[in-house]
Amino acid sequence: RKEVEQDPGPFNVPEGATVAFNCTYSNSASQSFFWYRQDCRKEPKLLMSVYSSGNEDGRFTAQLNRASQYISLLIRDSKLSDSATYLCVVSHSGGGADGLTFGKGTHLIIQP
Amino acid sequence: NAGVTQTPKFQVLKTGQSMTLQCAQDMNHNSMYWYRQDPGMGLRLIYYSASEGTTDKGEVPNGYNVSRLNKREFSLRLESAAPSQTSVYFCASSEKLTSTEAFFGQGTRLTVV
Repeated sequence: RKEVEQDPGPFNVPEGATVAFNCTYSNSASQSFFWYRQDCRKEPKLLMSVYSSGNEDGRFTAQLNRASQYISLLIRDSKLSDSATYLCVVSHSGGGADGLTFGKGTHLIIQP
Repeated sequence: NAGVTQTPKFQVLKTGQSMTLQCAQDMNHNSMYWYRQDPGMGLRLIYYSASEGTTDKGEVPNGYNVSRLNKREFSLRLESAAPSQTSVYFCASSEKLTSTEAFFGQGTRLTVV
């Protein structure tokens, strides 16, 4: 079982709509959680961290469910510029490759 | 602020050739990483350096070596390139190994023919 799993999409969404994606992780000792955004042929960049209490940044809301081991990202009032690949990232330490583990990403296409 | 700088941006190698990918960060970060990204595979960790003077294998280390030259620089070497190493390589750095944001370089697109 992969450590971090995401639906690869693509999600084709009309401009102005709300879209949500989930990500599941297998390591219950995971400590920190993030969503990164990657534009085509560019490097990944941090979109937002995910806190236990959930957090919001403008049109973006991230939530963590430790009991079910998943995190989610909600985008409201989607813009054309939101088209990108969204990477779910989990951080843990100990036992092999430490640091950040990336999901394969969910491809989002916002259509005019 | 330059952040994380990788060189070169593009490279074509013949099978069996060697090369070194250079990475430098100016954020005084302790931890540095090398990832490769292939279609459908996501980002996979090749090697990482938790702090100056230490390096460790990641998920896919075979065929690669690394050097943490100093706190700023972390290089990745391909001793004998193979077509399977055709990929986009990203260097990244973070303040510490876990729980902190990683900053990425712009990537190196490597093709091995």
